Amino acid sequence: GIQVEQSPPDLILQEGANSTLRCNFSDSVNNLQWFHQNPWGQLINLFYIPSGTKQNGRLSATTVATERYSLLYISSSQTTDSGVYFCAVEGYYGGATNKLIFGTGTLLAVQP
Amino acid sequence: KAGVTQTPRYLIKTRGQQVTLSCSPISGHRSVSWYQQTPGQGLQFLFEYFSETQRNKGNFPGRFSGRQFSNSRSEMNVSTLELGDSALYLCASSRAGTGEETQYFGPGTRLLVL
Repeated sequence: GIQVEQSPPDLILQEGANSTLRCNFSDSVNNLQWFHQNPWGQLINLFYIPSGTKQNGRLSATTVATERYSLLYISSSQTTDSGVYFCAVEGYYGGATNKLIFGTGTLLAVQP
Repeated sequence: KAGVTQTPRYLIKTRGQQVTLSCSPISGHRSVSWYQQTPGQGLQFLFEYFSETQRNKGNFPGRFSGRQFSNSRSEMNVSTLELGDSALYLCASSRAGTGEETQYFGPGTRLLVL
C-alpha cells in the first residue's frame, strides 16, 4: 500500500515565525488532505489538495503530484497553531473508495 | 450546516464487554468512514460504508464491525473488548464517496478499556 512520510516529526517555533511541513507519498493519489488535530482530538480540515496550490489566510499548501510530495506553509505562526498536523492520502484502487492513509504527523509547538 | 457528530464522546468499559459507537454524517453525505487512533499505531482506517453497504475494510479483526442506516447514520461495534482497543475512534463523512473529495471528521469517541 501507499506509504506516507511526514517531516519534521517535531517543530518548535517562536510566535511570528514561518514554517514548512512536508509530506512524501509513495504512489499516485487522487486525494490529499492536510488536517490540524486540536488538543481535544478533533481533526480540522485545512486543505483538500491532490495537486496545485491553495491559500487560506496564513496557511498555504502546494502538492506536486508528479514528484509525490506536498508542502504546508504556516506564516506568522500563532500559539493557536500548536497541535499535530497530518497529511492523509488516498491512492487509486480502480474504483471509488474513501480509505485515507495518514502520515505520522508533525507535532508543532508555538511559543509566545 | 451541522458537522459530523459522534456519540458518546467518552466511554469506559471493561475487558470482554462490547461497545457501540454512533456517527451522524453531514446532511447529504452518503459515505461514512471509521478510523482508530492510538499512540502506537497512529490513525488507521477501519471501514467505510456507502449507501448502507460496506465498501472497504481495513486490517482489523472481526470483532470490529459496523453498519449504516438508510439515513446514512452509521454505527460501529466492538465485541469482546481488549485493553488494546482503548483509542480515539473517529468517523468521517463525504458527499458522494468517490474518493476525490474532502472528508470531514467528527470530534471522536474516546474509549477506555479497563
